[in-house]
Amino acid sequence: GEDVEQSLFLSVREGDSSVINCTYTDSSSTYLYWYKQEPGAGLQLLTYIFSNMDMKQDQRLTVLLNKKDKHLSLRIADTQTGDSAIYFCAESDEDNQGGKLIFGQGTELSVKP
Amino acid sequence: NAGVTQTPKFQVLKTGQSMTLQCAQDMNHNSMYWYRQDPGMGLRLIYYSASEGTTDKGEVPNGYNVSRLNKREFSLRLESAAPSQTSVYFCASSLQTGDLYEQYFGPGTRLTVT
Repeated sequence: GEDVEQSLFLSVREGDSSVINCTYTDSSSTYLYWYKQEPGAGLQLLTYIFSNMDMKQDQRLTVLLNKKDKHLSLRIADTQTGDSAIYFCAESDEDNQGGKLIFGQGTELSVKP
Repeated sequence: NAGVTQTPKFQVLKTGQSMTLQCAQDMNHNSMYWYRQDPGMGLRLIYYSASEGTTDKGEVPNGYNVSRLNKREFSLRLESAAPSQTSVYFCASSLQTGDLYEQYFGPGTRLTVT
């Protein structure tokens, strides 16, 4: 079955870059997603990448996709304390019916001043 | 727009009690979802509804039922709550553009079963 794997924790200093990694199994997923969850809140879509792209940049966020290795990463430049949150990567369910997503376990990013 | 709303925000139940979690969206989305979130396990899909009038099981449907009351509302029912159902429950709806599905989440319901 499909599986999405992430490391659980990442700690960085304010101003450094953060890189959150994810591996997935379904090579047919058309889009791959990054969601952000702030404490006590629901998830918010942060960014997504189309599967035929290698990279997508959006202000401080850079998404890299290596389809051969089924590896997705999210880089946050100049990380701020407000970036402290849990970050989830997600892929489309293999049958893509109804827009189902398979989420990773989430990476808790802690930004120290 | 309120987006996705959920009630209640918090709930404590005793084992064997029943309850219904309510969810509504005002974005005219076709698809809606119920997830549970447990530490270290990410989000797991309980049930989803691809369109009004249809519902399907997700990864962890046992112990739950759902109703897609209309296009706006999608409720989740626990008939006989168990401690293993202690979790945070999220409802979501999605905007579809081709194969791109952008899911919008509610604020969650924190449920404790004692």
